[in-house]
Amino acid sequence: GENVEQHPSTLSVQEGDSAVIKCTYSDSASNYFPWYKQELGKRPQLIIDIRSNVGEKKDQRIAVTLNKTAKHFSLHITETQPEDSAVYFCAASPSKTSYDKVIFGPGTSLSVIP
Amino acid sequence: GAGVSQSPSNKVTEKGKDVELRCDPISGHTALYWYRQSLGQGLEFLIYFQGNSAPDKSGLPSDRFSAERTGGSVSTLTIQRTQQEDSAVYLCASSPGLVNNEQFFGPGTRLTVL
Repeated sequence: GENVEQHPSTLSVQEGDSAVIKCTYSDSASNYFPWYKQELGKRPQLIIDIRSNVGEKKDQRIAVTLNKTAKHFSLHITETQPEDSAVYFCAASPSKTSYDKVIFGPGTSLSVIP
Repeated sequence: GAGVSQSPSNKVTEKGKDVELRCDPISGHTALYWYRQSLGQGLEFLIYFQGNSAPDKSGLPSDRFSAERTGGSVSTLTIQRTQQEDSAVYLCASSPGLVNNEQFFGPGTRLTVL
């Protein structure tokens, strides 16, 4: 089955700097890659996703890139702010069936230092 | 509209007791997922429902864990003969059930087994 790895496990940046989180996946049939943000004590929420027919997607300060050949994808956060501090989970969705099960990575704890 | 709700929010039980955790998905969402999140850990997939059927039970840790869904809506996760290692936050999520859709998470049930 699908296996998703994520690096780094913890990341600390100064406010205003950029943060990059990288993920790899194992199932070449996966075609959907969402990113979820979980603030302390709260539920995970989708922040951005990318499908296999595109290589990059941007939404304000957040961007995701996908390299299907290498089976890795990344989250880029620019001009980080303290409210970006959270745990970020990448995920991959195998497309072997018609449902949308996703396999999550272990998470990256991001701290933005004011 | 109403989001995903879970009950109870907290459950403390003694080792060996059975517990039932409840999830009310967003109305109209056909897909429902259960995850387990141990302290500081990632999202461990447990089971998935499409309607009332569970095509993927691969994540259930042991035969002490079971889940059902009735009427295509409410789901219950049952843990029999609880063990201390079952202590975790149990998260439920629902999605429209179409391929590659956002999952909406509930607030979780924090289970503590003494």
